[in-house]
Amino acid sequence: QSVLTQPPSVSGAPGQRVTISCTGTSSNIGAGYHVHWYQQLPGTAPKLLIYDNSNRPSGLPDRFSGSKSGTSASLAITGLQAEDEADYYCQSYDSSLSAYVFGTGTKVTVL
Amino acid sequence: EVQLVQSGAEVKKPGESLRISCKGSGYSFTNYWISWVRQMPGKGLEWMGRIDPSDSYTNYSPSLQGHVTISADKSISTAYLQWSSLKASDTAVYFCARLRRGSGSYFSRDFDYWGQGTLVTVSS
Repeated sequence: QSVLTQPPSVSGAPGQRVTISCTGTSSNIGAGYHVHWYQQLPGTAPKLLIYDNSNRPSGLPDRFSGSKSGTSASLAITGLQAEDEADYYCQSYDSSLSAYVFGTGTKVTVL
Repeated sequence: EVQLVQSGAEVKKPGESLRISCKGSGYSFTNYWISWVRQMPGKGLEWMGRIDPSDSYTNYSPSLQGHVTISADKSISTAYLQWSSLKASDTAVYFCARLRRGSGSYFSRDFDYWGQGTLVTVSS
């Protein structure tokens, strides 16, 4: 099972701002390991969205932003667009498991 | 251009063996670890394990240790995921992904490039 907890779903109208939380523990996010975020469109491979807590790969719109504090992290999407409908996952490393771990995943719906 | 290209979909029976592949191109294959990630039908992403292609050192998720084998042939820039005896519960899409080291500690890595996925169906 996943050791990083995310809300199952979030929704918003076009143009609105939504946030997705990722809650970990003292052996992963709280231990200082970076958090990364991925977007998975239906039927496709995941795509790196945010790396090292808050950095965007080149070419990614600045509507996506990430932050980290304590044992949690969050992803914000501003100016929500129809093409943002997807599943989003956080990811980190867990020293107790000696394993890379993903969040439970959040489905974003644009109303 | 960095690419990870995976082998095609497979349909197998329980108890059969299988090896799927992931070929890297557009970068130095031995400079980055490769991981395998499982996605069962309608479920989330699950890390299975990783290999360092430079020396074939591997480590596995505790929940999958012993059930799969990850290997690599650096001469042809290809990583593999192998089962000796498949179960119906192995039915899933399997992704390979490149692990990139960032600005943090040794294990603080992200998956910056992904293969297209290989659907494995195990059914009698």
